[in-house]
Amino acid sequence: GESVGLHLPTLSVQEGDNSIINCAYSNSASDYFIWYKQESGKGPQFIIDIRSNMDKRQGQRVTVLLNKTVKHLSLQIAATQPGDSAVYFCAETQSYIPTFGRGTSLIVHP
Amino acid sequence: DTEVTQTPKHLVMGMTNKKSLKCEQHMGHRAMYWYKQKAKKPPELMFVYSYEKLSINESVPSRFSPECPNSSLLNLHLHALQPEDSALYLCASSQDLGRTGGNTIYFGEGSWLTVV
Repeated sequence: GESVGLHLPTLSVQEGDNSIINCAYSNSASDYFIWYKQESGKGPQFIIDIRSNMDKRQGQRVTVLLNKTVKHLSLQIAATQPGDSAVYFCAETQSYIPTFGRGTSLIVHP
Repeated sequence: DTEVTQTPKHLVMGMTNKKSLKCEQHMGHRAMYWYKQKAKKPPELMFVYSYEKLSINESVPSRFSPECPNSSLLNLHLHALQPEDSALYLCASSQDLGRTGGNTIYFGEGSWLTVV
């Protein structure tokens, strides 16, 4: 069936490095994508979104890239900080309800 | 800080107990959601309310009973739960369903439920 998944379950980086978290999706009808950050013991926090008519969107220290040809989504975090340590979920929306991917645990080493 | 408030933050209940989880939002959103999240797993959709009417029930067992008293409040009534129902229960809201161009869902901090 259709699914949203992540390539890497855990990503370890050094403080100050750039981080790239990847997400693959299989539903070609998906038209809206969201990245969420979930810190330990908290609910998912909206980070950034992108519509299917765009291929790049930038926020504060974060950039989301969408490649519809290969059904791939990525989240880039610039100058990663210890406070960025969390689980990151991508979610794709096709019928207004997001479906979440597996999640990637980002560990930032000081 | 999230504008979706959930209470209680932690709940321990026996398998014969009846309890409720509560959720409130004051963003004027007309769609509200319940998700269940097990450790190290993504959130799984349980129910969706749109304009105070149940829109989606993802084949959730009847021991979970949602209620939407008004557009700002969402409850989840719990009865005769099993230990495997222990999880983080997340409430969320969005402006409404059927928005073209995207439906951003905002989550509360969740209620940690332990069934003993």
